[in-house]
Amino acid sequence: AQSVTQPDIHITVSEGASLELRCNYSYGATPYLFWYVQSPGQGLQLLLKYFSGDTLVQGIKGFEAEFKRSQSSFNLRKPSVHWSDAAEYFCAGLSGSSGDKLTFGTGTRLAVRP
Amino acid sequence: DTAVSQTPKYLVTQMGNDKSIKCEQNLGHDTMYWYKQDSKKFLKIMFSYNNKELIINETVPNRFSPKSPDKAHLNLHINSLELGDSAVYFCASSQAPPGQGIVGGNTIYFGEGSWLTVV
Repeated sequence: AQSVTQPDIHITVSEGASLELRCNYSYGATPYLFWYVQSPGQGLQLLLKYFSGDTLVQGIKGFEAEFKRSQSSFNLRKPSVHWSDAAEYFCAGLSGSSGDKLTFGTGTRLAVRP
Repeated sequence: DTAVSQTPKYLVTQMGNDKSIKCEQNLGHDTMYWYKQDSKKFLKIMFSYNNKELIINETVPNRFSPKSPDKAHLNLHINSLELGDSAVYFCASSQAPPGQGIVGGNTIYFGEGSWLTVV
């Protein structure tokens, strides 16, 4: 079955530290992959997306993600975290066979220490 | 202007009531969706419509009935509300037709969510 897994439920980092949020996917073919962020009480905002081509994708707010086929991963990174980055982060995937059914991971809650 | 807007943002209601959540998108998109986020933050698609036509209908109780009066609107009506219906409901939209939605290079844009609490 097609799935997206986020192994970390909670992560806490210090402000200014680097960040990596993990995402693994399980699809028959190369999926289309996304990272969304949900701030407390807010909707979902798209950070970045991977369709094809360059495996290192740049997004908004200084985030980037790298697609690694050999590891079935699409980890989200940021070199220096700001307090305003504290939020819930969702990885999501889609394949051609699933139409528009975006499959979400269970999310990773990021806390930022001052 | 908000691209995908939902109303109400917060709704508290008693069991057994009937309620609706409205959604409008001003992006000119052809496809709209309803997603449900449960208490554990898990997000799952409920429905999708393309040009007022139902395309995706996941295993959702028939108490939930989406209605699309035009391609810019997709409302969610819920009958006989139950405690388990408490969740955040997200409306979303994308440009391309179903089956090509994101494959075509487009993106799903989400509304800000409607927090439904059934007491």
